[in-house]
Amino acid sequence: SQTIHQWPATLVQPVGSPLSLECTVEGTSNPNLYWYRQAAGRGLQLLFYSVGIGQISSEVPQNLSASRPQDRQFILSSKKLLLSDSGFYLCAWTSGQGGEQYFGPGTRLTVT
Amino acid sequence: GQQLNQSPQSMFIQEGEDVSMNCTSSSIFNTWLWYKQDPGEGPVLLIALYKAGELTSNGRLTAQFGITRKDSFLNISASIPSDVGIYFCAGQLVNTGNQFYFGTGTSLTVIP
Repeated sequence: SQTIHQWPATLVQPVGSPLSLECTVEGTSNPNLYWYRQAAGRGLQLLFYSVGIGQISSEVPQNLSASRPQDRQFILSSKKLLLSDSGFYLCAWTSGQGGEQYFGPGTRLTVT
Repeated sequence: GQQLNQSPQSMFIQEGEDVSMNCTSSSIFNTWLWYKQDPGEGPVLLIALYKAGELTSNGRLTAQFGITRKDSFLNISASIPSDVGIYFCAGQLVNTGNQFYFGTGTSLTVIP
């Protein structure tokens, strides 16, 4: 069966510091991968999605970036965090044919 | 971007009551998904719908893909305290297979 992992589970970072969140999927190949941000427990905002290694589509211009160095690995990064980057970050995957989307457990980021 | 109108925004019900919520869109969707999210966790997929008129059940949950393909409904029968959480609808537009659009969520409180 397929599983999706996110690391770390929680993170507290000062303003201006870098960020790296990792997402990995097991049990499938060639997944579509997604990063979302959720504020205040509601409203998922799509940040990035990827249909293959090195292929990243950005939905919202901001100081975040994403990379997909391996088929089942998706990384969310920032060079300098802003207070407004605080939130709950969710990674998700679908099969290459679309359909059902499955979420990871999330990373709670607090920028202080 | 595409907006999904989800209602109601919140519900407070007595244990044992039935619950109904819905999502509507101005565009045609080819997939509807329903999720439940507990605090601090990632959304969990409850039901996936792929065809107009499709009615699918998962235990006490039943969801329908609207005939117009612009709406979907989720019903929960005989609610229990563990049904508490936020329920999200999500959909994929026709011809944009990689992106999912989410409703703003329905917060459900079940009073024992």
